[in-house]
Amino acid sequence: EDQVTQSPEALRLQEGESSSLNCSYTVSGLRGLFWYRQDPGKGPEFLFTLYSAGEEKEKERLKATLTKKESFLHITAPKPEDSATYLCAVRTGGSYIPTFGRGTSLIVHP
Amino acid sequence: DVKVTQSSRYLVKRTGEKVFLECVQDMDHENMFWYRQDPGLGLRLIYFSYDVKMKEKGDIPEGYSVSREKKERFSLILESASTNQTSMYLCASRGVWKGELFFGEGSRLTVL
Repeated sequence: EDQVTQSPEALRLQEGESSSLNCSYTVSGLRGLFWYRQDPGKGPEFLFTLYSAGEEKEKERLKATLTKKESFLHITAPKPEDSATYLCAVRTGGSYIPTFGRGTSLIVHP
Repeated sequence: DVKVTQSSRYLVKRTGEKVFLECVQDMDHENMFWYRQDPGLGLRLIYFSYDVKMKEKGDIPEGYSVSREKKERFSLILESASTNQTSMYLCASRGVWKGELFFGEGSRLTVL
């Protein structure tokens, strides 16, 4: 059974304090790992797709990396507007259905 | 840009009422999904449709049904709403050759 575990569940940072969110996965035949951002009361918004170990994607203060067992979402010099829940999901070769982690709730204090 | 539109952002219904949640996407996507999201439980898949008139049960289909008569529209139906169906409902779509999902803004349903 595919499993996706995100850690920590919650993270509080001061503005400018860089950190990383983790997404570890146990799947067979990874076809893609996806990061989403979700603001309170809204639907998730797609951020990145990573397909193979060693791949990296960047967008503003966010950088996503992938190894064979986990992905990291690095947040450099975060701002309060980066506060949100970040969700990780994987898709495997044998399924239409993505498997989501439970998310990391990030709060950035000014 | 892909747009997924859910018909109602907030609904309040009474126990036993029939509830319709509508979702429309404008990108000719084959796949559409209905999830519910509850604190501490994450996203849970209710139903999935991989094409028109095709549907598959997700992890928690009990108490729900769906309809996909046209490619752009995927409806979630609660035949007889119950208080434990109070939740945030999220619709998503995906192109068949793509991996990422595009979500609507969500429909927050309260059943009294």
